[in-house]
Amino acid sequence: EAGVTQSPTHLIKTRGQQATLRCSPISGHTSVYWYQQALGLGLQFLLWYDEGEERNRGNFPPRFSGRQFPNYSSELNVNALELEDSALYLCASSLEVRGYAFFGQGTRLTVV
Amino acid sequence: GQNIDQPTEMTATEGAIVQINCTYQTSGFNGLFWYQQHAGEAPTFLSYNVLDGLEEKGRFSSFLSRSKGYSYLLLKELQMKDSASYLCAVRDKRNFNKFYFGSGTKLNVKP
Repeated sequence: EAGVTQSPTHLIKTRGQQATLRCSPISGHTSVYWYQQALGLGLQFLLWYDEGEERNRGNFPPRFSGRQFPNYSSELNVNALELEDSALYLCASSLEVRGYAFFGQGTRLTVV
Repeated sequence: GQNIDQPTEMTATEGAIVQINCTYQTSGFNGLFWYQQHAGEAPTFLSYNVLDGLEEKGRFSSFLSRSKGYSYLLLKELQMKDSASYLCAVRDKRNFNKFYFGSGTKLNVKP
């Protein structure tokens, strides 16, 4: 069974640009969440999508947005990039009945 | 609001036992999870507690006290490969698929 896959693995952008990160959940999982992990910090909840809709978002500005497609894959968009956005962005998916989240390997975003 | 606290860093010796504590204050609770995260890698699931008591899984055990808002992860017979960050996460009661993570405890295992 394929796990959660994320692309790209690494992304380098300049300040002010936009970044798009992609995530494919485990087959059958309808919920996708995005987390940001800045260097030395814990996982910070960004967004939760389920059945194509945004169910909840963390304490991040509106320039962090995303969407979930009919096949349950998801995109995270970060507009007007700032240096502080440099972090590992992790995507996870879960089946409600399983109770725990499976994580992808992450996209390391570097803003220069 | 949600508040999850873990020690930032711990050091232990190979072959020893180490206990990593986690305290939480959340507006709703539906299970506590422990994840292991090696540097540069994604977190991997270790254990899950929803009722009070001890869950044992090989060298790893996890304990939960809901009344005290407290959990610990116990690692026995430490190995060098156990050097990693250990994340405590609480699942939200209303948003079943939403997890709140602590900042993680970096465990250094020395020979």
